[in-house]
Amino acid sequence: GQQLNQSPQSMFIQEGEDVSMNCTSSSIFNTWLWYKQDPGEGPVLLIALYKAGELTSNGRLTAQFGITRKDSFLNISASIPSDVGIYFCAGRLGNNAGGTSYGKLTFGQGTILTVHP
Amino acid sequence: DAGVTQSPTHLIKTRGQHVTLRCSPISGHKSVSWYQQVLGQGPQFIFQYYEKEERGRGNFPDRFSARQFPNYSSELNVNALLLGDSALYLCASSPGTGSRGEKLFFGSGTQLSVL
Repeated sequence: GQQLNQSPQSMFIQEGEDVSMNCTSSSIFNTWLWYKQDPGEGPVLLIALYKAGELTSNGRLTAQFGITRKDSFLNISASIPSDVGIYFCAGRLGNNAGGTSYGKLTFGQGTILTVHP
Repeated sequence: DAGVTQSPTHLIKTRGQHVTLRCSPISGHKSVSWYQQVLGQGPQFIFQYYEKEERGRGNFPDRFSARQFPNYSSELNVNALLLGDSALYLCASSPGTGSRGEKLFFGSGTQLSVL
């Protein structure tokens, strides 16, 4: 089955620093999504990407859909303490209701981000 | 507006027992997906339901089953519980249009502990 390799596994940074993490796949995905999960909560959608090469921002967050459609990147600029959490990439193969399940996301293992004040 | 709601929030069971987890999607959403998240890993897809029909199934044994009701809420059932079933079970809802922009919104999950 599809697997996503997310790196790094963890990051310890100082407040104000920029953060970069990435996700690679052995399969092509049609959609890439980035989620953040806080302890005891479900994942919260940060950014969704729908076509190769797409670059999308959400505040201090910027994500890119790789040209090969097998990778994606997330950058966080000027980190703050509330950025602490686990960041997950997720890919989806299908995009139609009659075919491949569009509710099926394949998740990476997560990047644990710690921000020191 | 209420988000995805799941119940119960925590559950403790013993091996061999059966468990039922419940999920109410965001109002207007017709699709519900279930995920299992083991500690330290990303969520793993279990099922997707749309309009009360199963639309996708992950690599889970037949002990796992689910259904969706006319009001689009859903139940996940797990029979003959094993220690390895201990995990956070997440429900995600989406509009269900199947469009390219379909986004999944997750609930806070049910933490299941099997002793």
